[in-house]
Amino acid sequence: EVQLVQSGAEVKKPGESLKISCKGSGYRFTSYWIGWVRQMPGKGLEWMGLIYSGDSDTRYSPSFQGQVTISADKSITTAYLQWSSLKASDTAMYYCARRDREGDFDYWGQGTLVTVSS
Amino acid sequence: DIQMTQSPSSLSASVGDRVTITCRASQDIRNDLGWYQQKPGKAPKRLIYDASSLQSGVPSRFSGSGSGTEFTLTISSLQPEDFATYYCLQHNNYPWTFGQGTKVEIK
Repeated sequence: EVQLVQSGAEVKKPGESLKISCKGSGYRFTSYWIGWVRQMPGKGLEWMGLIYSGDSDTRYSPSFQGQVTISADKSITTAYLQWSSLKASDTAMYYCARRDREGDFDYWGQGTLVTVSS
Repeated sequence: DIQMTQSPSSLSASVGDRVTITCRASQDIRNDLGWYQQKPGKAPKRLIYDASSLQSGVPSRFSGSGSGTEFTLTISSLQPEDFATYYCLQHNNYPWTFGQGTKVEIK
């Protein structure tokens, strides 16, 4: 059974760093892309970017390029989304999702709520 | 970037109604489109891929059609569990883009 399990909710202060995770299981991790999607409170879905788990080739949305870093550690079948300096506007739910071969997202993680507040 | 214009933004419907949601792409995306359902507090769930293929396990009352720039999600007979927000997502070109969402509410 394919599963993506995300790390737990985080409460951070502005300026702090953060790395959240997404662990894949039940499939060949290195053969698939993993993507990240943001959902701000009460708002729609925003595509942030993708990483190919086999070689860490990465694609970013221009809206998020330079604001976050997407990475992966294939030895532990885990993808990451990280910030070096959080802002209050980073407060959102973040989902990881597996890209279905050449298609879009077939499996999703449960989401990680990030709250940034002073 | 490819813009995905989804309509309507919300609708009220009754159980048993036929519901249609549309996504228009700002340029040709072939059939590189999926439809997702999201319920409050839950992760999105894919209903349709490649514009018209039904995701395994999804009820057959859901269907998708279209190619190029105009796409439709149809629920043939709305059920109580279908009240949710629906999104389209194009993956033809980076950056991928979602529609703004359609909230389906109970009339």
